[in-house]
Amino acid sequence: NAGVTQTPKFRVLKTGQSMTLLCAQDMNHEYMYWYRQDPGMGLRLIHYSVGEGTTAKGEVPDGYNVSRLKKQNFLLGLESAAPSQTSVYFCASRQQGARSEKLFFGSGTQLSVL
Amino acid sequence: ILNVEQSPQSLHVQEGDSTNFTCSFPSSNFYALHWYRWETAKSPEALFVMTLNGDEKKKGRISATLNTKEGYSYLYIKGSQPEDSATYLCALPPDAGNMLTFGGGTRLMVKP
Repeated sequence: NAGVTQTPKFRVLKTGQSMTLLCAQDMNHEYMYWYRQDPGMGLRLIHYSVGEGTTAKGEVPDGYNVSRLKKQNFLLGLESAAPSQTSVYFCASRQQGARSEKLFFGSGTQLSVL
Repeated sequence: ILNVEQSPQSLHVQEGDSTNFTCSFPSSNFYALHWYRWETAKSPEALFVMTLNGDEKKKGRISATLNTKEGYSYLYIKGSQPEDSATYLCALPPDAGNMLTFGGGTRLMVKP
């Protein structure tokens, strides 16, 4: 059982380049999330989705776009990367329902923007 | 945005010591509190989810308590071991919606 899988694991971009991070889960979860982790800042929510075809903004959505065309996949896009987007990105998912449902995390993507 | 604070930011203890740290949050509109353990180079894993005032949860040597009226939760580790070295995160939903807001974490280092 793979759980939550993120690709790629590492990436280096030049300023202005674009890329897409892929999150895939095989647990039939409805809710999926993209977080970024920066030193001293904890995990901050970028965007999330409560089901196939839906997306919503989190705390720090600027500079990112997302899509949830299939229930099992949640894509995070950077259209024009900036050095401020250098971070570790985590995808997470959870079952539909109560706010007491725990999150399952992917292993992270380390992104550097030069 | 929900203000979730964790203290201390980091903690160094000797193997065998017991330790505890705090997650503080606004006491109004409480829905649930999550604790996650995050080892270096791995992904965060859920330890506990607590929903009721007075809740106590235990998993091996790790336990947690919750006081929603005063807005805090304690995480305790009894007889710390080097494998307990990790960052411990707490998180709460800020409202009736579907987000989870994380605190900055407490980084625990256990020396053998």
